[in-house]
Amino acid sequence: QSALTQPASVSGSPGQSITISCTGTSSDVGGYKYVCWYQQHPGKAPKLMIYDVSNRPSGVSNRFSGSKSGNTASLTISGLQTEDEADYYCSSYTSRATWVFGGGTKLTVL
Amino acid sequence: EVQLVESGGGLVQPGGSLRLSCAASGFTFSSHWMHWVRQAPGKGLVWVSRIINDGSGADYADSVKGRFTISRDNGKNTLYLQMNSLRDDDTAVYYCARYLGVSGADFWGQGTLVTVSS
Repeated sequence: QSALTQPASVSGSPGQSITISCTGTSSDVGGYKYVCWYQQHPGKAPKLMIYDVSNRPSGVSNRFSGSKSGNTASLTISGLQTEDEADYYCSSYTSRATWVFGGGTKLTVL
Repeated sequence: EVQLVESGGGLVQPGGSLRLSCAASGFTFSSHWMHWVRQAPGKGLVWVSRIINDGSGADYADSVKGRFTISRDNGKNTLYLQMNSLRDDDTAVYYCARYLGVSGADFWGQGTLVTVSS
């Protein structure tokens, strides 16, 4: 069960847009619509930001959007705000009826 | 209000056992798949285990299969994780999480720290 591949870090200025990628295989990301994204601030529990590739839970800002192409999913945050600075994790259901997370991406808002 | 409250963490020696509990409230516990996810200090999230609504089916990460057992008591609205043959690399904060369908966990507990050390 190898972790999904995410960039270790990304950065952007307030108001800009950034995209975080999440690469898996045809046995996880590429094979299912069950990809989600979490935001985690230091010392806090993760918060679900996107589920089923592109759906936002109630209460999550529409500045957050998700997509998928082949074995790679992406999270885009538009109109960056300082409070968006956090760690972001992708996750996918797999063909083995397990779940796998990405290694995490640290977002810095400059 | 949905609440998940973990307990049972602590310091245990390698080879020892520990049972974590997760008390759920504010929703119909028996209607949801429940998961355990862990996070080693300074590291990323790692999926551990999942149990379906009525407790009749469970899945595990390869790293814990044969050592950990997930269970639930729907009458007590409580999720459990029995951890045996603990190793140093099991040291982590353990979160219980309610899944929104198959894809994602929409509610998480605050986590309980398990430290495996001699």
